[in-house]
Amino acid sequence: QVQLQESGPGLVKPSETLSLTCTVSGDSISSYYWSWIRQPPGKGLEWIGYIYYSGSTNYSPSLKSRVTISINTSKNQFSLKLRSVTAADTALYYCAREYSESSSLYYFDYWGQGTLVTVSS
Amino acid sequence: SSELTQDSAVSVALGQTVRITCQGDSLRYYYASWYQQKPGQAPVLVIYGKNNRPSGIPDRFSGSSSGNTASLTITGAQAEDEADYYCNSRDSSGNHLVFGGGTKLTVL
Repeated sequence: QVQLQESGPGLVKPSETLSLTCTVSGDSISSYYWSWIRQPPGKGLEWIGYIYYSGSTNYSPSLKSRVTISINTSKNQFSLKLRSVTAADTALYYCAREYSESSSLYYFDYWGQGTLVTVSS
Repeated sequence: SSELTQDSAVSVALGQTVRITCQGDSLRYYYASWYQQKPGQAPVLVIYGKNNRPSGIPDRFSGSSSGNTASLTITGAQAEDEADYYCNSRDSSGNHLVFGGGTKLTVL
């Protein structure tokens, strides 16, 4: 059974960098797309970006200037860095595996349980 | 367009059928996937592709699509189906992902 586990600080100061890591167990990270998704309190899901196991990335246009996602295949982990955070970045952050069955079919089949990050001084 | 549009809230009587829709240009090119999220829990995949259910998802959940609209249907809604439902797909470029705003389903 594939499991994903987010880890990182739960409190980040404004203007600093939010850093989270997702550890994957039960399968190799050396395949699939791996995404970060967030959900502000009481609001909907927002895709942040993904990294392919090869290292190629794509980010949400609204966050692209502040986001970096990286992968460490030897540790079966991938990471998120979000720079210059504000209170608007307070959210539950999820990591998830995106499975591609075809060029027109993609879906998130495994999710972490999420980690709450609060931006506050 | 890179947006997916869902009704914000829908209600259904216990045991009745409800359809939740998701509209967006990208759905002409990519299948939608649907996620159920209960309070305090991570989203769970319930439907993907043309009409596929992951293992463990009851067969009262089904999916369909036509043009730019994807639908999630619950036939014989149960109290435990009360949750938020999100649709998701790649955007029209194929390089980004988008979520619908979510539909809060109330089972009366």
